Amino acid sequence: DTAVSQTPKYLVTQMGNDKSIKCEQNLGHDTMYWYKQDSKKFLKIMFSYNNKELIINETVPNRFSPKSPDKAHLNLHINSLELGDSAVYFCASSSGGAMQETQYFGPGTRLLVL
Amino acid sequence: SQQGEEDPQALSIQEGENATMNCSYKTSINNLQWYRQNSGRGLVHLILIRSNEREKHSGRLRVTLDTSKKSSSLLITASRAADTASYFCATGYNAGNMLTFGGGTRLMVKP
Repeated sequence: DTAVSQTPKYLVTQMGNDKSIKCEQNLGHDTMYWYKQDSKKFLKIMFSYNNKELIINETVPNRFSPKSPDKAHLNLHINSLELGDSAVYFCASSSGGAMQETQYFGPGTRLLVL
Repeated sequence: SQQGEEDPQALSIQEGENATMNCSYKTSINNLQWYRQNSGRGLVHLILIRSNEREKHSGRLRVTLDTSKKSSSLLITASRAADTASYFCATGYNAGNMLTFGGGTRLMVKP
C-alpha cells in the first residue's frame, strides 16, 4: 500500500486558474508538509502542518494555501496560477515531534502552467 | 540560500567504485539526513545522523558528521548501476519539523 499518495500526478493548466493538489498519508503521522522542487532540482519547504499549528515558509506567496480536512490529508490549493509556479510539488509526512524525524515523500505532482 | 549544499553537483563513476558526496550547512542542527531521488520519483530516506553522532552505517552506506566543520559526507561502497540517482542532504534546524535540502548530487554509475 502506498504510504503517501498525491493526485494528480500531472497537472497542466492555464495562467490565472485555481487548482488543488491532494495528498493523503496512511502512516498515522501527525505532521505533513509541502515542498516545491524547481527545474534545477532545488527542493524548498513550503509548509509544515500538524493538528496544532501551521508553519509557513515566509517566502511562499499567499496564493498558496494548505487545507487539511483531517489528520491524514493535506491538500495544496493554488490561486491565480503563474508561469513561475511550474514545478514538481511533493507532499511528505513524519511522526512529528521536535527532532525533525524522517520524512516520507509522495511521488510528486508535476505542474505545468501555460 | 540553501542551508545544505552538496558537493560535487554531479559525479560519474564505474560500477564497483566507491562514491563520496559531501554536504555543508550553515546553522546548528538537530540532525542531518540523506535522501535519494530516482529520476521522476519522490525522495526516499536513506539515513539519519544526529548531532551527537559522528558516524553511521547502513548496508553499503556510511555517513559521517563533523559539527565543528558543519559538514557531512555520504559514502556508497561498491556502487551499482542501480545506485544512479540524485542524493540530497537535509538539515533540521527550525520550527515545525521543516527540513532544508541542499541542491543534490547527481550520481551516475556506469555498468
